[in-house]
Amino acid sequence: EAGVTQFPSHSVIEKGQTVTLRCDPISGHDNLYWYRRVMGKEIKFLLHFVKESKQDESGMPNNRFLAERTGGTYSTLKVQPAELEDSGVYFCASSQLGRFLDTEAFFGQGTRLTVV
Amino acid sequence: AQSVTQLGSHVSVSEGALVLLRCNYSSSVPPYLFWYVQYPNQGLQLLLKYTTGATLVKGINGFEAEFKKSETSFHLTKPSAHMSDAAEYFCAVMNTDKLIFGTGTRLQVFP
Repeated sequence: EAGVTQFPSHSVIEKGQTVTLRCDPISGHDNLYWYRRVMGKEIKFLLHFVKESKQDESGMPNNRFLAERTGGTYSTLKVQPAELEDSGVYFCASSQLGRFLDTEAFFGQGTRLTVV
Repeated sequence: AQSVTQLGSHVSVSEGALVLLRCNYSSSVPPYLFWYVQYPNQGLQLLLKYTTGATLVKGINGFEAEFKKSETSFHLTKPSAHMSDAAEYFCAVMNTDKLIFGTGTRLQVFP
């Protein structure tokens, strides 16, 4: 069974450009999470989808970030326009529906974004 | 607000030595605590979690952690380090349906 897959693995863009990150969750996982780790600091929550609906987007830093999950399958995270402080590793995780403590969230390898 | 603090961004041990990675939490409600590991070029993997019940939690790869309410700690231990344990380890606390992570501790294991 395939795990959580993220594309691309690395991205280097210039300040002001647009970047779109993609996450393919494990098949059948209705929960999808985005997290970000900036400059070796803590991994921070960005948002949580349940199927195609945004359950919690309290961690989204500003309106330059747009997350979508059309059809409740894969998700994209667009940063437009990118700023230097957006550099970091973006992780995606997925889990089955159910009580959080009863399910396990599986993480992808992450996308390393560098804004220069 | 809930949070976790990991003491020591880098820990080095010799192969066969005890591994101790420290995590302290802050929570106004009974916490649910997790340890994740990230091996090179891989995603985060759940090592173990504490919800309720037994305070000593056993995880994968010989790791265990003990929940100590009086010390607000959830330290991760392994009696004997193996070279394959070299990785970055993250402590986390659950907040509704999301995780609040610490800053991570990179474990180096020397032969």
